[in-house]
This record gives sequence, structure tokens and C-alpha cells, in this order.
Amino acid sequence: GAVVSQHPSWVICKSGTSVKIECRSLDFQATTMFWYRQFPKQSLMLMATSNEGSKATYEQGVEKDKFLINHASLTLSTLTVTSAHPEDSSFYICSALTSGGADEQFFGPGTRLTVL
Amino acid sequence: QKEVEQNSGPLSVPEGAIASLNCTYSDRGSQSFFWYRQYSGKSPELIMFIYSNGDKEDGRFTAQLNKASQYVSLLIRDSQPSDSATYLCAVIKAGNMLTFGGGTRLMVKP
Repeated sequence: GAVVSQHPSWVICKSGTSVKIECRSLDFQATTMFWYRQFPKQSLMLMATSNEGSKATYEQGVEKDKFLINHASLTLSTLTVTSAHPEDSSFYICSALTSGGADEQFFGPGTRLTVL
Repeated sequence: QKEVEQNSGPLSVPEGAIASLNCTYSDRGSQSFFWYRQYSGKSPELIMFIYSNGDKEDGRFTAQLNKASQYVSLLIRDSQPSDSATYLCAVIKAGNMLTFGGGTRLMVKP
């Protein structure tokens, strides 16, 4: 399958700082990427859909001004958690859809965010 | 009613047995169904997808879909301890968005 990377794999930061997470499709172009959040012992919850060259579409209840998403190229989407707080501590996972519109989504390895 | 529902488990089976994981969904118009496996602290990995009613087999895994009953299942034959993980059922929505169930935790005991 296709390879999706995320960086960093884990991050610890102080409350109030901003954290940027990168999601890259390494061997294919992704017109669409998705950002998920997963709290301990819970399932993945879709946060937003990121389309290359356009504004992200956020799911209900997700603050777009807090979770900034930029999909600047066909291989890179970034999620910035602004002014992070302890309740933002979670496992953030991106996935990428091939430009052929295949139903398969390829997941990145995830980023563990801990806000102190 | 949740869009995709799964029994959270844990489901415990002995090594070598068949593990049966079940999932129901609420949107009758759903067309594509996926099973992912997620180990603790890792991201999900795709096991199988199924679009048509009936069974689809891939190695030790069989996905079963019954659209009339809005039910999809995953059978794991000859279960191994390495199959112990959380299994996530997912349904495609418009725009290729996946909606996940809560997951079922499977424990295969040696």
C-alpha cells in the first residue's frame, strides 16, 4: 500500500504554545487528506477534510481557528494546534486519499500530543 | 443512534478458534464498508473492504455484508495471539469520509 508519514511522532509542549503536525504522502499524490483525533480507548473522530488548494472542511464541533489546516501541495497537509491546552492532548492521525479517488485511505502513523 | 455501532468487548477467544466481530450501521444508503485493525498506540491498518452483499475472503479473514439487515461482520479463522487488537468497522460517507465505529477489542489467548 501507499505510504503516509507524519512528523513529529510525538510532542510534549506547555499549555499555550502552538504545535504543527505534518502529514505527507510519500509515493502518491493526495488531493484529499483527513485529520482524525483519537482519545484513549475511543475510536477515531474525523476533525476535518483537507483538500489541496482550498479551505479545509471542519466537522461539527471542531474549532477551525484552533485547529488550522493547510494543504499546500498534493503531498503535504499540516495541522496546527494553536494555543494548545491539556484537553487537546490526544493521538492525531492523518489519512490520505489517492488522487484517483479510490475508496482506500492510507493512514499515517499518528502523532501523540501531550500538553502539560 | 450512532452511525456505526460495535460491541466494545473485549472479545476473548482461544488460539486457533474463529473470532467473529460484528458491526451495524444506520445509513441504509451506505455502500462501502471497511475493517481496520489497530494495535495500541498505533494508527489503523486496513484489513478488508467490502461493497457487495455476501462474503469476501482474504486469507484467514472473511468479511460478510448484509445490506438488508445493515450488518457487516469480520471472521478471523485460526486466531493467533498476534491478532489481539482493536478492530474498527468503518463506513464511507459522501466525500470519501470514513465514519468509524467504537471498535471491538479482541483478545486471543494462547
